[in-house]
Amino acid sequence: AQKITQTQPGMFVQEKEAVTLDCTYDTSDQSYGLFWYKQPSSGEMIFLIYQGSYDEQNATEGRYSLNFQKARKSANLVISASQLGDSAMYFCAMREGPRNFNKFYFGSGTKLNVKP
Amino acid sequence: DTGVSQDPRHKITKRGQNVTFRCDPISEHNRLYWYRQTLGQGPEFLTYFQNEAQLEKSRLLSDRFSAERPKGSFSTLEIQRTEQGDSAMYLCASSQAATATNEKLFFGSGTQLSVL
Repeated sequence: AQKITQTQPGMFVQEKEAVTLDCTYDTSDQSYGLFWYKQPSSGEMIFLIYQGSYDEQNATEGRYSLNFQKARKSANLVISASQLGDSAMYFCAMREGPRNFNKFYFGSGTKLNVKP
Repeated sequence: DTGVSQDPRHKITKRGQNVTFRCDPISEHNRLYWYRQTLGQGPEFLTYFQNEAQLEKSRLLSDRFSAERPKGSFSTLEIQRTEQGDSAMYLCASSQAATATNEKLFFGSGTQLSVL
């Protein structure tokens, strides 16, 4: 079974609008971490936001927020006030713990295009 | 803080040739990871080191692949007798010792390998 599922291969959003990128995950661990990374065309993976499985509040980092629904095993990324520079690939990832800290599992990504 | 650097950025080779990539992690990070990413997919785990010890290898890492991290600093990834299916982006990442699920990975810009 896939550890991380991103069902939106591509998304379009109008500049200054908000957009939600979907992510569901699969784990039997109680302790795990969820991450979102951005990958521009330059190739480097840029960390955006983190949510721990025991965190009761949704994580926020500037224009990024993570809509964490533990019972549904979803960790959607919300980008508010989209900017042209947000156009990139976005990957959801999970680190399981405590037995498996060494591996990150990545989804297949969502390509976001921000239209002017 | 110089970040994770990878060399070369691009490599074009003929099938059957050997290639070697280098990764320099962030200096205080003792964990180093190699991932492979093909077009339209998320990064797939290949192997990781804690200091100079290679602690885990993915089944994706065939006998033609070897990775080293002498002295626990930089790492090299060698592919022998390259095949066209080896064409991909090879990403290196580093982190401090992961004792919690929130330990994030810092990525380099990757080496894009094209096997003709």
